[in-house]
Amino acid sequence: EAGVTQFPSHSVIEKGQTVTLRCDPISGHDNLYWYRRVMGKEIKFLLHFVKESKQDESGMPNNRFLAERTGGTYSTLKVQPAELEDSGVYFCASSQVGPFAEAFFGQGTRLTVV
Amino acid sequence: DAKTTQPTSMDCAEGRAANLPCNHSTISGNEYVYWYRQIHSQGPQYIIHGLKNNETNEMASLIITEDRKSSTLILPHATLRDTAVYYCIVRSHGSSNTGKLIFGQGTTLQVKP
Repeated sequence: EAGVTQFPSHSVIEKGQTVTLRCDPISGHDNLYWYRRVMGKEIKFLLHFVKESKQDESGMPNNRFLAERTGGTYSTLKVQPAELEDSGVYFCASSQVGPFAEAFFGQGTRLTVV
Repeated sequence: DAKTTQPTSMDCAEGRAANLPCNHSTISGNEYVYWYRQIHSQGPQYIIHGLKNNETNEMASLIITEDRKSSTLILPHATLRDTAVYYCIVRSHGSSNTGKLIFGQGTTLQVKP
């Protein structure tokens, strides 16, 4: 069974450009989460989808970040326009419904804004 | 969710048991203790979780004190591949919990030959 996959694995963009990160969760997982780690800091929660609905987006840093999950399958996280402080590793995780469901993480996308 | 405190770093000799402590003195009755780890250049990986009884799986054992204010993750025979950052996370399973994980700084475990 395929795990959580993220594309691209690395992205280097200039300040002011737009970048779109993609996450394909494990098939059948209704829960999808985005997290990020910026340099030297802890892994921080960004938002949570249940199917196509945003359940909790309390961790989104500002309105330059837009997450979507059309059809409740894969999700995208767009950063527009990117700023230097957006550099970091963005992780996606998915889980089945239920309080004991284990969250499976992808390998992450390393975003560098120059 | 309750806050956790872990040592910043630990060393362990290959083949020996690694015992990683975690304090969670403000844990409440419906909160579980979870452990995840992040091996370099990979995403976090679930290890184990428990409420009050000790738990064991193929990866590790989790020992939770009777008062639940602290716990210890035990890797019985550490290998070089166990070198990683280990996160102790407390989260509830109540209806208000969305399943998000609150990561702290974790403990960097270095397994040495």
